[in-house]
Formats: sequence, structure tokens, C-alpha cells
Amino acid sequence: TQLLEQSPQFLSIQEGENLTVYCNSSSVFSSLQWYRQEPGEGPVLLVTVVTGGEVKKLKRLTFQFGDARKDSSLHITAAQPGDTGLYLCAGAGSSGSRLTFGEGTQLTVNP
Amino acid sequence: DTGVSQDPRHKITKRGQNVTFRCDPISEHNRLYWYRQTLGQGPEFLTYFQNEAQLEKSRLLSDRFSAERPKGSFSTLEIQRTEQGDSAMYLCASSSGTGFTLHFGNGTRLTVT
Repeated sequence: TQLLEQSPQFLSIQEGENLTVYCNSSSVFSSLQWYRQEPGEGPVLLVTVVTGGEVKKLKRLTFQFGDARKDSSLHITAAQPGDTGLYLCAGAGSSGSRLTFGEGTQLTVNP
Repeated sequence: DTGVSQDPRHKITKRGQNVTFRCDPISEHNRLYWYRQTLGQGPEFLTYFQNEAQLEKSRLLSDRFSAERPKGSFSTLEIQRTEQGDSAMYLCASSSGTGFTLHFGNGTRLTVT
């Protein structure tokens, strides 16, 4: 069973601060995705990373895939209240038949 | 593109009753997934269809759970003899099979009393 561990589980910060969320596993993934979920809604894809060492930027969000394709991080610069939500990492195995999700990081950005 | 739709949005049932949920995926997507999510946790994989074939089932899916996708379009998830531990958000997602982007519906929240 492929497991993904996210840290921290909860994060409460003030508007304008920077933060990093981590996603770690002992398994190798063919690709890794980050989703954001708001209450009462399904997760929405933010980014997919495929290549070890890959870095992708999406406005104030920077995503990195570890060289060994076992871990990833999400860095948010100058967080805004609109960034509040549950951030989920999800890995796809070599068979590509399913995504395995981490437990999520609940981010609250206070104005 | 109307997105993935799930019905009902909320279901309250008494322990021991049967419930059925429906998912309508994005029309051109051939893969359909069911996940279960409890409060503050990540989604847990339940089962996966490619077209009408159910290709994988999680060990989490007990004999009380059954899913169908009879014509390769919409899918149903039935839970028989519900238990309080079944209370959760049941999420459906679809993908095109080329690449791995899952498009999720807004889920059905089940409460078993």
C-alpha cells in the first residue's frame, strides 16, 4: 500500500506570511498532484508534477517534486484569506489506475 | 462541460436502511472513480471503472457496498444495511484516461443515525 504523509496537518497564519506544506512517502510515484478543497465541494486540481526535481509555479504557489519522486512540497508566498482550504497531495503509481491521497493540510489564512 | 454531478447532495438515513447514490461524469470521460472522505481527512479510494468494467475495488469496500456503471456513463453506489461508520462524504470523479486529472463532483454527504 502506498501511503502519503502530509505535514503539518493544520496551519493557521496571518495574511501576508509565507508557508510550506510537505508531502512524503516511502514509495515512488509516477506523478504527483496537488488539489485544493473547500468545504462542501470536491477537490480541484492545482498542479501535476511528473519529473523528479521538477518545479512548477502557479502565481504565488510553487510546487516541487523530489528527485527520487517520493516527496513533494507546496510553498505559498504572501498568503491571502482566499488561500484558505484543505490542500491534498495525491500520488499515481506505475499502474496508473488510481490516485492515493494524503490526509491533507487544513490551511487558514487570517486577515 | 457541465462537470461531474452527484445526487443527492445530502442523505440522512437510519441504521440498517439501504441507500443509493448516483454520479454523472463528464460525458466524454471513460474512467469513473468513487472515493470516501471523512471530515478533515483525505479521500480514500473505493472503486474504479473504465467504461462499464469495474477494474479495481478497495479492501475498504465491504460486501455491503456495490457499485455499477451499466452503460459506461452514469454510475451508482449502493450501501446495504447502513452502519453509523458509513457516515462520510462520498465523492465521485471522472477522467479521460489520457493523463491523470480527476474531476470531482461535490459529493454526497451521508449521515447514518
